Amino acid sequence: AQSVTQLDSQVPVFEEAPVELRCNYSSSVSVYLFWYVQYPNQGLQLLLKYLSGSTLVKGINGFEAEFNKSQTSFHLRKPSVHISDTAEYFCAVSDPGDKIIFGKGTRLHILP
Amino acid sequence: NAGVTQTPKFRILKIGQSMTLQCTQDMNHNYMYWYRQDPGMGLKLIYYSVGAGITDKGEVPNGYNVSRSTTEDFPLRLELAAPSQTSVYFCASRNREYEQYFGPGTRLTVT
Repeated sequence: AQSVTQLDSQVPVFEEAPVELRCNYSSSVSVYLFWYVQYPNQGLQLLLKYLSGSTLVKGINGFEAEFNKSQTSFHLRKPSVHISDTAEYFCAVSDPGDKIIFGKGTRLHILP
Repeated sequence: NAGVTQTPKFRILKIGQSMTLQCTQDMNHNYMYWYRQDPGMGLKLIYYSVGAGITDKGEVPNGYNVSRSTTEDFPLRLELAAPSQTSVYFCASRNREYEQYFGPGTRLTVT
């Protein structure tokens, strides 16, 4: 069965500093991987996805993620964060089937 | 194009009452999902549907039921509400590129 582990429940980072949010997955088959963002009191929005091809995936708002099959990881990065990036970030996995399973989320706190 | 809409936005139920959470999408997506979100627990999949007339259980289906009579609608039914069902409920639909679109959520309190 597939599962997702987000290693940090909260990540504080200073404005304009780089950030990495970690995600590891387990699955017995090939996977599709996603990062979603949730701003306060809103639904989730897709940041980026990996289905196949290049392992470095670029998304919206300057975020990118790298698929590492050997380490079963899909970490999210941004070189310089802004106060507007304050949100909760969710990693999700789907074996190429019907279910999409989410991690527990990482709250990103931007410090002035 | 409204995307995914959910009603109601908020609801307070007494223990043992029943209710239906409504979800509608106008993107002609075959796949639809119901999740619940609890603090620190992420999103848990309750039920999903791959098309009209087809539904299947997710991770936490107990206490819930769904139906999918049309492509557009995917209502979630709570028959005997319990305090453990206090949560925020999100409906989502998915396109062929595996991109999910979420509704704004329903905040349910059971007391």
